[in-house]
Amino acid sequence: NAGVTQTPKFRVLKTGQSMTLLCAQDMNHEYMYWYRQDPGMGLRLIHYSVGEGTTAKGEVPDGYNVSRLKKQNFLLGLESAAPSQTSVYFCASMGDSYGYTFGSGTRLTVV
Amino acid sequence: GNSVTQMEGPVTLSEEAFLTINCTYTATGYPSLFWYVQYPGEGLQLLLKATKADDKGSNKGFEATYRKETTSFHLEKGSVQVSDSAVYFCALSDGDDKIIFGKGTRLHILP
Repeated sequence: NAGVTQTPKFRVLKTGQSMTLLCAQDMNHEYMYWYRQDPGMGLRLIHYSVGEGTTAKGEVPDGYNVSRLKKQNFLLGLESAAPSQTSVYFCASMGDSYGYTFGSGTRLTVV
Repeated sequence: GNSVTQMEGPVTLSEEAFLTINCTYTATGYPSLFWYVQYPGEGLQLLLKATKADDKGSNKGFEATYRKETTSFHLEKGSVQVSDSAVYFCALSDGDDKIIFGKGTRLHILP
């Protein structure tokens, strides 16, 4: 089915470990986004991309890096995980029409 | 800057009750407005949208009217069902490359 696929769905990290979250979309969308969702905070934008090879900072970029080497993929990296990065991470993409298509999320716990 | 404010939850209703979730926005231009729904354990899904003043978005029995004079986009449904239990997010896009979300309203429907 067409859409946005996030891997992994769940992950537990120890403080200081690194990991990469993968987002893949097959809708040929130009725009892609990474959000984190925390209780009472709604969705907060981490980084986004307006096309292949581009990235930009969102509201809460510290501690994260991203890359968009291919149009269909948007990677979110944590170089040295901290407990404050325990969250649910959502990827989204947007094409010509308004509105996002979201992935199903990655639940990350940092202990 | 642009922002979205929606009523805090949780909202608890009995099945077949009338639902209103209030949403107001602040924007410098003429934004497009959205309601997204998030069911437990899933990503956000677009529920409805309106792109200009006085437009009414509708889907699955839900409706919202774009009111420029009151800068509002309240979500309504005439008769809710248990399956409507979810978190609802109001959002706007001002033609920029990002969508701004409210903090979400959790809805519980009792049988």
